[in-house]
Amino acid sequence: GAVVSQHPSWVICKSGTSVKIECRSLDFQATTMFWYRQFPKQSLMLMATSNEGSKATYEQGVEKDKFLINHASLTLSTLTVTSAHPEDSSFYICSAPPGLAASYEQYFGPGTRLTVT
Amino acid sequence: QKEVEQNSGPLSVPEGAIASLNCTYSDRGSQSFFWYRQYSGKSPELIMFIYSNGDKEDGRFTAQLNKASQYVSLLIRDSQPSDSATYLCAAPPRDDYKLSFGAGTTVTVRA
Repeated sequence: GAVVSQHPSWVICKSGTSVKIECRSLDFQATTMFWYRQFPKQSLMLMATSNEGSKATYEQGVEKDKFLINHASLTLSTLTVTSAHPEDSSFYICSAPPGLAASYEQYFGPGTRLTVT
Repeated sequence: QKEVEQNSGPLSVPEGAIASLNCTYSDRGSQSFFWYRQYSGKSPELIMFIYSNGDKEDGRFTAQLNKASQYVSLLIRDSQPSDSATYLCAAPPRDDYKLSFGAGTTVTVRA
C-alpha cells in the first residue's frame, strides 16, 4: 500500500515553455501532498505543501507564480513549472502522508527529472 | 543553524562492518525522526522511524534517539554492497508535518 506515482518520469523542454508534473496517490487518498526539488548532490528542499480544496503553501524563496500547484482531487496534485529556464533543471519529487489524517510519515513518488535546454 | 544536520561523510566501510550515521536537530519540539535511503537517481525510501528515546531495531538497521542531546543515529550492521546509498535524516519541526531533511550521508560499502 501507500504507492505514489509521478508522471512523467523525465522531461526535456525548451527554455520559456511550461511543464506540468503530476503526482498521484494510487491506493489512498491524500488531503496533503508535498513537492520537493533536489539538485545534484544536494538534499531535498521542500518547495510547497499542496492542500486539497485550498491554496498551496509555498516555502520561503519559492516563487508561487512560477511553480503553480493545483490539488485537483484527493488523489492528484500537479506542479506546473511556468516559463522554465535552465536553472529550473532539477529532480522534482512529491510525497504524501498515507491517508486523510495528518501524519508525519510520508511516501515518496519516484520523481521527475526535468531538463530545460 | 540548519534544522537537521548530518555528518557529511562520505562514509566508506568494508562489507560486513557496521556503518554509523549521525544526525542532530535544532527544534526541541520535534517528536519524530525518520531515516530515508536514496539510491542515485531515485527518490527516497523510508527505512526507519523512531519516536521514543532509546533504540529501535529493524533487521540490520538500528535507530537510536537521544532527545536530551537532540541526537539521532542509524547503525547498519553487516553492511552489504546494496546498502551503498545516501542516507537522509528527517524531522518535522514542532506543530508541523513538513519534513526538514539533512544534507545526507553517502555510504559506500566495499566488497
